[in-house]
Amino acid sequence: GAVVSQHPSWVICKSGTSVKIECRSLDFQATTMFWYRQFPKQSLMLMATSNEGSKATYEQGVEKDKFLINHASLTLSTLTVTSAHPEDSSFYICSAFGWDQPQHFGDGTRLSIL
Amino acid sequence: DAKTTQPPSMDCAEGRAANLPCNHSTISGNEYVYWYRQIHSQGPQYIIHGLKNNETNEMASLIITEDRKSSTLILPHATLRDTAVYYCIGLPGGGSYIPTFGRGTSLIVHP
Repeated sequence: GAVVSQHPSWVICKSGTSVKIECRSLDFQATTMFWYRQFPKQSLMLMATSNEGSKATYEQGVEKDKFLINHASLTLSTLTVTSAHPEDSSFYICSAFGWDQPQHFGDGTRLSIL
Repeated sequence: DAKTTQPPSMDCAEGRAANLPCNHSTISGNEYVYWYRQIHSQGPQYIIHGLKNNETNEMASLIITEDRKSSTLILPHATLRDTAVYYCIGLPGGGSYIPTFGRGTSLIVHP
């Protein structure tokens, strides 16, 4: 079945640095991918919709200059957390769908900012 | 998306069937019932979906009532690895719609 790969799975970095997370669809082309964020003991919250070849659509309250999304190809979307601070520490998850298939999710990236 | 209601938690003995209920009384005619689960520290995993007929795959069975106001996900022989949060979501057909996750049901399978 369809597989979505997310990398890295875990990252720790110092406050003020930028972190890039990759999301790849491995066996299908994804014109649209989605980025979610999840805090401990809470459900997933949609951050943005990533569209291949165009600008991402951000949910209300999500800073587009803070969370840069690039969807340069049909199989790759990246989320860059710029100038990360401890409050950006969270579990970030991407998802994608192929034609006539349900959403498939990556395994998530646990980001810890010191 | 249709509003869904699930019990916050359930438990089940290993090897027994786990039956997870979901109420979706406001589901519209073109909305499917999707089930996902999230094992701790992993992304959600698609399980099964259906419109009005019962469905079965290698992971689970989905029983949808005739009036479509509720459904039950059945894990026929639960294992410890089935411990997870299970989400029931109503979505229009096809994969292009974005699942909105509620609180789900936390299923604990015990030895």
